[in-house]
Amino acid sequence: AQTVTQSQPEMSVQEAETVTLSCTYDTSESDYYLFWYKQPPSRQMILVIRQEAYKQQNATENRFSVNFQKAAKSFSLKISDSQLGDAAMYFCAYRSAWEIGNQFYFGTGTSLTVIP
Amino acid sequence: SQTIHQWPATLVQPVGSPLSLECTVEGTSNPNLYWYRQAAGRGLQLLFYSVGIGQISSEVPQNLSASRPQDRQFILSSKKLLLSDSGFYLCAWNIYADSNYGYTFGSGTRLTVV
Repeated sequence: AQTVTQSQPEMSVQEAETVTLSCTYDTSESDYYLFWYKQPPSRQMILVIRQEAYKQQNATENRFSVNFQKAAKSFSLKISDSQLGDAAMYFCAYRSAWEIGNQFYFGTGTSLTVIP
Repeated sequence: SQTIHQWPATLVQPVGSPLSLECTVEGTSNPNLYWYRQAAGRGLQLLFYSVGIGQISSEVPQNLSASRPQDRQFILSSKKLLLSDSGFYLCAWNIYADSNYGYTFGSGTRLTVV
């Protein structure tokens, strides 16, 4: 099984500021996908952004962007112009391109607090 | 459109009682289905996944079991609950054919074993 590590259990950011959440993973595969999910207090898991390992260009979705460093096996999430609604638990996830079952491997999460 | 239903939303069960959580998907065929557990303050642990009717793969040995009696139905069961089974259970699905596709999650079941 692959391992995903989120070394920051908790982070905080001032409203309108930028914050970066870290994620590293361990794999011997060359083809895979990486995701960031958001889990607000409602506990509903919401897909924030995804990245294909074969793409060198970093994915961007509005205020959310990633810094994907394949050689370093690093996949950080940057949230710009933070809003109160961004407060949530954020999970980094890995998915093999070839593994039967397509299961995701999740990190332990980073709890983000947005300070007004 | 594709939707996923998971119920019940909340459940309080005594130790030793049976468990049945159900998940159904609408608007798609032959999905991959998953059960995850999220313990308090921790990440998501994959419990079971299924790539087709009657096909169940277990990731973690435990007193839980899963079944897929129909293409879009996934059931998590236990004959006798333990205190350690408490947690938040999430059902999810995706389509194998679209390997870039992320999971779609259900709204979860909060299980408290007392």
